[in-house]
Amino acid sequence: EPEVTQTPSHQVTQMGQEVILRCVPISNHLYFYWYRQILGQKVEFLVSFYNNEISEKSEIFDDQFSVERPDGSNFTLKIRSTKLEDSAMYFCASSVDRAGNQPQHFGDGTRLSIL
Amino acid sequence: GNSVTQMEGPVTLSEEAFLTINCTYTATGYPSLFWYVQYPGEGLQLLLKATKADDKGSNKGFEATYRKETTSFHLEKGSVQVSDSAVYFCALVGNQFYFGTGTSLTVIP
Repeated sequence: EPEVTQTPSHQVTQMGQEVILRCVPISNHLYFYWYRQILGQKVEFLVSFYNNEISEKSEIFDDQFSVERPDGSNFTLKIRSTKLEDSAMYFCASSVDRAGNQPQHFGDGTRLSIL
Repeated sequence: GNSVTQMEGPVTLSEEAFLTINCTYTATGYPSLFWYVQYPGEGLQLLLKATKADDKGSNKGFEATYRKETTSFHLEKGSVQVSDSAVYFCALVGNQFYFGTGTSLTVIP
């Protein structure tokens, strides 16, 4: 069964540095998402992306964050000038259709640790 | 607005015990409801879903019924196994997924 793959599985970065989290969505999917899960807390929506632009974003997704689909297969989340509170699991997801019509398929996540 | 409230964990059960994890929701309209499972060290996996009132989602012995009158979607399993140990998330979907806080389940032999 096709999977959403994320790399790296664990990223350790100094506070203030930039990080790029990478995702390869399922190949025929058109909608892409990033979610965040701070340890012990709920999974939070960050952003959705369709047709090479952001379609929805939460209040968490401020100017520090950006997303990009640099080629036909990758979907990246960039975090500029990281802060301690950015430490979390980051999940990428993709779906054929908008959320609500098809369940989103999630990757295994990238654990981001900011020191 | 949309939100999901799950029973707090952690939950510890003996093998073959009955499981209930409560989930209630607040939503505009009639959203689809989901249960996701997260095994240790892995990502979120869809466990089951229900798209309208009175629908029952089921998978791997787990069941949940969409109850509009009580705005609930409680997860149940008649006989849990050690391999069911995981974190379970209730979710609803509007224009995005809204997840509950998760309930950690540990099943001991």
